[in-house]
Amino acid sequence: AQSVTQPDIHITVSEGASLELRCNYSYGATPYLFWYVQSPGQGLQLLLKYFSGDTLVQGIKGFEAEFKRSQSSFNLRKPSVHWSDAAEYFCAARPSNTGKLIFGQGTTLQVKP
Amino acid sequence: GAVVSQHPSRVICKSGTSVKIECRSLDFQATTMFWYRQFPKQSLMLMATSNEGSKATYEQGVEKDKFLINHASLTLSTLTVTSAHPEDSSFYICSARHQGAYYEQYFGPGTRLTVT
Repeated sequence: AQSVTQPDIHITVSEGASLELRCNYSYGATPYLFWYVQSPGQGLQLLLKYFSGDTLVQGIKGFEAEFKRSQSSFNLRKPSVHWSDAAEYFCAARPSNTGKLIFGQGTTLQVKP
Repeated sequence: GAVVSQHPSRVICKSGTSVKIECRSLDFQATTMFWYRQFPKQSLMLMATSNEGSKATYEQGVEKDKFLINHASLTLSTLTVTSAHPEDSSFYICSARHQGAYYEQYFGPGTRLTVT
């Protein structure tokens, strides 16, 4: 079955430290891939997306993600985390032949001062 | 650009009553809108997909008579929770797909429904 997995439910990092959030997908063909951020009680904001081409994708707020076909992964990274980055992060995938976004379970990011 | 609004942001209703949630694309035409449900600390679950002028397509396990979706125009979709019960309490989020931009969805801020 098509699925998106975020192995880390909760991550805590210190402010200024680097961050990597993991995402793996299970699809027959490479889907369109997305990372969203959700602040408490809010909707989702798109951080970045990958459709094709360059496997390193730059997004907003200093985030980037790297698509690795061999590992079926699309990990999100940020070199230096800010306290305002504390939120819920969702990886999502959309098979190229349907319109449905499938979300991972989400990773809660906590930032220590 | 590409802003999606939802109204109301929060609603409390009594068990047995119905509540309507509106989803509007403010600055673009949305041929397709999606409704999601999110339980606390959980991911988003797609409830249904609605195309303007057509009947909504519901995901397996979602009661179409309980969650009525109407997509009457290119900028408005509504979700009506009929005969609401406490177990319907949840965070409902809509998203809209830009006409001509097949690959992207824009999300609304969500509506917190509490059924007492």
